[in-house]
Amino acid sequence: AQTVTQSQPEMSVQEAETVTLSCTYDTSESDYYLFWYKQPPSRQMILVIRQEAYKQQNATENRFSVNFQKAAKSFSLKISDSQLGDAAMYFCAYRSEHGGSQGNLIFGKGTKLSVKP
Amino acid sequence: DTGVSQDPRHKITKRGQNVTFRCDPISEHNRLYWYRQTLGQGPEFLTYFQNEAQLEKSRLLSDRFSAERPKGSFSTLEIQRTEQGDSAMYLCASSTTDRGTNEQFFGPGTRLTVL
Repeated sequence: AQTVTQSQPEMSVQEAETVTLSCTYDTSESDYYLFWYKQPPSRQMILVIRQEAYKQQNATENRFSVNFQKAAKSFSLKISDSQLGDAAMYFCAYRSEHGGSQGNLIFGKGTKLSVKP
Repeated sequence: DTGVSQDPRHKITKRGQNVTFRCDPISEHNRLYWYRQTLGQGPEFLTYFQNEAQLEKSRLLSDRFSAERPKGSFSTLEIQRTEQGDSAMYLCASSTTDRGTNEQFFGPGTRLTVL
């Protein structure tokens, strides 16, 4: 079974600085997707960025980028120029491309990010 | 498009009572997922539908839980004989079946408290 591990329960960053959130996963599959979701306090979860495993190029979305290391099964999220609105729980998630579990997401426990003004 | 909606947002019930939650997905989305999120944890998969067919159920979904999606539109999740361990946030998500853009859009969740 696939697992996702986020080893940083909490992180803090100064406004305008850069922070990196870590995520590792375990799978025997070669085709899959990885995601970072953001869950602000009392608000719904939204997708921040996604990465297809077959793509070597790291995904980028504005101030958000990932460092995808397939061999190491590592998928970290870098947030540049941090803003107060970035404060939230961040979840790393895995989705298989094949098999009976196609579609559902497997989440890590999350990292709570605080942004200091 | 108003996104995924869930009702109610909060539910407080006594142990042993039955509760039912509703999820309205984004209208053109074929797939609908239910997850459960307890405090300090990430969401855990419960079950999912493609149109009206329930295609997979997690072992977390005990016999007291049942989900339906009549006519492939909204879905309901019922918990019978609630227990204190059922207290959690119940999240609904929907997506298209398109392989390349299978992003799941989440609703705001229903927070269940069992006393």
